[in-house]
Amino acid sequence: EDQVTQSPEALRLQEGESSSLNCSYTVSGLRGLFWYRQDPGKGPEFLFTLYSAGEEKEKERLKATLTKKESFLHITAPKPEDSATYLCATEGNTPLVFGKGTRLSVIA
Amino acid sequence: GAGVSQSPSNKVTEKGKDVELRCDPISGHTALYWYRQSLGQGLEFLIYFQGNSAPDKSGLPSDRFSAERTGGSVSTLTIQRTQQEDSAVYLCASSLAGTGNNQPQHFGDGTRLSIL
Repeated sequence: EDQVTQSPEALRLQEGESSSLNCSYTVSGLRGLFWYRQDPGKGPEFLFTLYSAGEEKEKERLKATLTKKESFLHITAPKPEDSATYLCATEGNTPLVFGKGTRLSVIA
Repeated sequence: GAGVSQSPSNKVTEKGKDVELRCDPISGHTALYWYRQSLGQGLEFLIYFQGNSAPDKSGLPSDRFSAERTGGSVSTLTIQRTQQEDSAVYLCASSLAGTGNNQPQHFGDGTRLSIL
């Protein structure tokens, strides 16, 4: 059974304090790993797709990386507007399997 | 911009009533998905449509849940004889192509369903 585990569940950072979120997965035949951002009361917003180990994608203060067993979302010098829940999901031979997310709070 | 649209945004109903939730996908997206998100839980897959067909309905929790899609566009999720455990946010997503094609899914803002 495909599984996605995200850690930590919650993370509190000072503005400018860089950190990383982890997404560990076990998937049969990984076709893609997706990162989403979800704000309260909103649907998930697509950020990145990673397809193979070693791949990296960047967008503003966010960088996503992928290995054969996990993905990291690195946040560099975060700002309060980066506060959200970050979701990881994998696509294998079944529809997307989501982790429970990491709730990020960035304090000014 | 025309994103995924869901209605109603909120629905409060009494236990035992039937409810219909609507999803209008992004124009041109052939694949449509329904998920359920409960407090403290991850997104739970319910059903996937490719065009008007549902090749995967494995996530529907009981026979009280059904969904249809017409004209390759709008989809309706119906819950019959609602129970309190059905209370959750129901999210719809669409993508250009279906499962296995690495296309990102784009989500609506969901319907918050509360069963009294």
